[in-house]
Amino acid sequence: KNQVEQSPQSLIILEGKNCTLQCNYTVSPFSNLRWYKQDTGRGPVSLTIMTFSENTKSNGRYTATLDADTKQSSLHITASQLSDSASYICVVSAREDNRLAFGKGNQVVVIP
Amino acid sequence: DAGITQSPRHKVTETGTPVTLRCHQTENHRYMYWYRQDPGHGLRLIHYSYGVKDTDKGEVSDGYSVSRSKTEDFLLTLESATSSQTSVYFCAISEPGQANTEAFFGQGTRLTVV
Repeated sequence: KNQVEQSPQSLIILEGKNCTLQCNYTVSPFSNLRWYKQDTGRGPVSLTIMTFSENTKSNGRYTATLDADTKQSSLHITASQLSDSASYICVVSAREDNRLAFGKGNQVVVIP
Repeated sequence: DAGITQSPRHKVTETGTPVTLRCHQTENHRYMYWYRQDPGHGLRLIHYSYGVKDTDKGEVSDGYSVSRSKTEDFLLTLESATSSQTSVYFCAISEPGQANTEAFFGQGTRLTVV
């Protein structure tokens, strides 16, 4: 069973609109939760990283939230741009061995 | 981009042939990882290394071997490539020890086994 579940699997949004991506995880105990952006044909690039004591982290138009009690995280994209079209991957790091558990990603397509 | 270089970036090989992918880092990070990425799956760990000559298996290690003779290089070998190993392979590095440690990824190697 995948330890990190992301939803929706894919979505299409209009340029300028906001969207929110969801991540639920079962990894426990966990060290940190990260959101990565992966453009087509490229490696994942880190957007945010949060430890269990943090509940929000921003990086420009990207804002991640974390609820360690319910084991949920979200990534909010504000005023989307065409360049936001990518896969967004939620990654949870286990505390005991630093292994990374990956979600399958949210595929976002921004259209003009 | 962090100093990670994967080579080759693209490769087509025949079933049954050996293939070696190379990951080179200039960050002096202790941990190095090999992942594969396939449609419908998240990144899946093949093998990882936590130091020179120290390696361990990931969740999809069958058919793969690795070696790390020096800090900066982590090699992934397919002893006898099969069509099921057609995939995009990513190398990653990290320096654990802190709760907010970062993991950096290479640009990927697209391998096609025909």
